[in-house]
Order: sequence, then structure tokens, then C-alpha cells
Amino acid sequence: DVKVTQSSRYLVKRTGEKVFLECVQDMDHENMFWYRQDPGLGLRLIYFSYDVKMKEKGDIPEGYSVSREKKERFSLILESASTNQTSMYLCASSFASGRSQYFGPGTRLLVL
Amino acid sequence: AQSVAQPEDQVNVAEGNPLTVKCTYSVSGNPYLFWYVQYPNRGLQFLLKYITGDNLVKGSYGFEAEFNKSQTSFHLKKPSALVSDSALYFCAVSAVGGATNKLIFGTGTLLAVQP
Repeated sequence: DVKVTQSSRYLVKRTGEKVFLECVQDMDHENMFWYRQDPGLGLRLIYFSYDVKMKEKGDIPEGYSVSREKKERFSLILESASTNQTSMYLCASSFASGRSQYFGPGTRLLVL
Repeated sequence: AQSVAQPEDQVNVAEGNPLTVKCTYSVSGNPYLFWYVQYPNRGLQFLLKYITGDNLVKGSYGFEAEFNKSQTSFHLKKPSALVSDSALYFCAVSAVGGATNKLIFGTGTLLAVQP
């Protein structure tokens, strides 16, 4: 079974803090994704990566950056957290373009 | 541009009755279509997908979905609902052969199954 793990289930941070969300997958997948999920808005893609050190902006990249130094690990960085970044963050991975994505359990982030 | 619509925010059904969760899509070319389920405070779990072939696709937990090209729909169905099916369901689409790696997700439909 594909396993995607996220470093934290719940996080509470203060406005202005730098926040790191980590995601690790164990199936040698090429592609990795970061989404945020908000009620009524569904899943919105923040960034994705199709190879080590490669990244592309998704639909809502503002205020976020990413890092993929190793194939199995994809990090989401909030450079200066703001209250409007309070959300559920979901990481996913997939083997190939447009194919099934496998999701981690999510990190619920609260920015005070 | 690719898009997915889930026209119902919530679907209510009695246990034992058939259920349908609706999804329509817009994509250039042939689509890859997916259904995912999310239980409270969990990530999304893959249910089923349509890539090519038979229009009726069977997936996990007794769910199935029918691809209808003329209506650009991919509705999720189950013959007999269980209370444990209560969850948030997402439809997603990607273009076959497209350069993008992205799936586009609908806004989700909350399924509530009453005992």
C-alpha cells in the first residue's frame, strides 16, 4: 500500500512565524502535491513537483513556497504565516501524470 | 479550461436505499475521472477511476460510477447505502495525455445516510 505521511496532524502558530509542513511518500512516486482544503471551496492546488528540485505553481501559490530535495519528501513553507492561511493542508503523491493521487492524513493549521 | 461541478452540497438518503452523488466535468479531449472519499479529520481515500473502456466502473466499498460522454457526467452510485458511507465525496478530472500533472477537484458533496 502507498503510504503518505505528514509531519503533524495539528499545528498552532502565530502570525508572522515561518511554518514548515513536511510530507513523505514511500512509493517512489514522481509527482507530489500540496493542497489546502476549505469548506465550500474543495481542494485547491498550492504547488506541485514532478521531480526532485522541480516545482510548479498551482492555483493559489501566493504566500507559500516549496522544497523538494529528495524524491520522497516535499515540504510546504509558509514564509510569514497569516490568519487567512488557517486551513487543512493535504499532501498527495502520484506515479504519473493525471493518475490516481494518494493522500496523507492532512495537517490542520491554526494561525493566531 | 478543465473544471468539475458537483451540483449538490449535501445528499441525504435513508440506509438501505440507493444513492447517487452527481458530478459533471469539462475537459479538452478525453478525461481521466476519479472519485475520492474523505472521512472526518482524515485525508482523501481513492474510491475508483475511469480511464478508458467499460463505462461502468466498480470501486471500493460497493461503489460504482458511470461515465457518460454525451452528458459529460460521472455520477457515483451505490445500490444500498450504509450509515458508514456518510462522508464527504470529491469528484476529480484530468485530461488524457495532457501536459499537466494536475487533477481538478470539485467542491465536494456531503453524503448523510440516516439509520
